Amino acid sequence: AQSVAQPEDQVNVAEGNPLTVKCTYSVSGNPYLFWYVQYPNRGLQFLLKYITGDNLVKGSYGFEAEFNKSQTSFHLKKPSALVSDSALYFCAPRGGGFKTIFGAGTRLFVKA
Amino acid sequence: DVKVTQSSRYLVKRTGEKVFLECVQDMDHENMFWYRQDPGLGLRLIYFSYDVKMKEKGDIPEGYSVSREKKERFSLILESASTNQTSMYLCASSTGTTTEAFFGQGTRLTVV
Repeated sequence: AQSVAQPEDQVNVAEGNPLTVKCTYSVSGNPYLFWYVQYPNRGLQFLLKYITGDNLVKGSYGFEAEFNKSQTSFHLKKPSALVSDSALYFCAPRGGGFKTIFGAGTRLFVKA
Repeated sequence: DVKVTQSSRYLVKRTGEKVFLECVQDMDHENMFWYRQDPGLGLRLIYFSYDVKMKEKGDIPEGYSVSREKKERFSLILESASTNQTSMYLCASSTGTTTEAFFGQGTRLTVV
């Protein structure tokens, strides 16, 4: 069975500091891994994905994520947080086929 | 840009009513999805469709059905609305298995 875990309900970070939002997963076959962001009163937006190749992938708004096969993790990172990054972040792995599962979400709060 | 449009942002329905949530995408995507989003639970897949007239159950299909008569339109039907179906409903579309999903703005349904 496929599963995904975002162990932190909320991450608090000061503006300008690096941030990490954690994600571990379990899927059958080769994983396709996605991160989405949801700003208040808006739908989900795609941030970045890992399909194959380089383990470090870069996405929108300066975010990046590192795929670690041995640890089955796909943590989201940003070198310098902005107040405008405050939002709800979802890790979404996909195993074989079309079905994508979503984590419970991690709320990022960036303090000025 | 891909656009996924959900027919209503807010709906209030009475217990026992039959409820239709409509979703239209304009990018000729093969795959369409219905999720519900609840705090602390993330997004849970209700149904998805990978072709016209094709549908597959997701993780929580009970109490719901779907219809996909045309490629661009995917409807979610609550056969007899209940208060535990009060939630945010998100429609999404994608193409292939390695591409990201595009989400609508969501429909916040309240069943009273």
